[in-house]
Amino acid sequence: RKEVEQDPGPFNVPEGATVAFNCTYSNSASQSFFWYRQDCRKEPKLLMSVYSSGNEDGRFTAQLNRASQYISLLIRDSKLSDSATYLCVVTTLREYGNKLVFGAGTILRVKS
Amino acid sequence: NAGVTQTPKFRVLKTGQSMTLLCAQDMNHEYMYWYRQDPGMGLRLIHYSVGEGTTAKGEVPDGYNVSRLKKQNFLLGLESAAPSQTSVYFCASSKRGQGVGDNEQFFGPGTRLTVL
Repeated sequence: RKEVEQDPGPFNVPEGATVAFNCTYSNSASQSFFWYRQDCRKEPKLLMSVYSSGNEDGRFTAQLNRASQYISLLIRDSKLSDSATYLCVVTTLREYGNKLVFGAGTILRVKS
Repeated sequence: NAGVTQTPKFRVLKTGQSMTLLCAQDMNHEYMYWYRQDPGMGLRLIHYSVGEGTTAKGEVPDGYNVSRLKKQNFLLGLESAAPSQTSVYFCASSKRGQGVGDNEQFFGPGTRLTVL
């Protein structure tokens, strides 16, 4: 079982739609959680951190459920420019220290 | 500010050849990392460095070596390339270590390596 699992998609949605992604993680000791965005053939970039209380940044809302070990990302009023791969990232303790573990990503395609 | 840069952007090697990937950052970050990204898998940590002159193994270090002689540079070497090392390689840097608060990692544009 992968440590961080995401539905690979693709999620094909029309402009203006609301779309949500979930991500599950296997290590209950995971400490920090993030969503990164990766455009096609580009590098990942931090989209937002995920806090236990949930957090919102414009059209984007991230939530963490520690009991069920999943995090979510909600995008409202989707734009064409939101088309990308969204990477779920958690920090997990390894023998060499606390390191980021990346999910394989969820592909979002927003169409006009 | 160029951020994190990587050279080369593309490279094709034959099995058994060696090469070095160069990563440079101008943000005065202490921590630097090398990842590989393969289809259907998340980024995996190869090696990392917590400061000039230090390096450490990550999750998938076999077949790679690294050096951090200067704070701004982090080199990744392939001693004898194998087809299994065909991948996209990303370098990243951060102010502090992973898992220490909201410590954003800044990534370079990547190097696409093919080993024939």
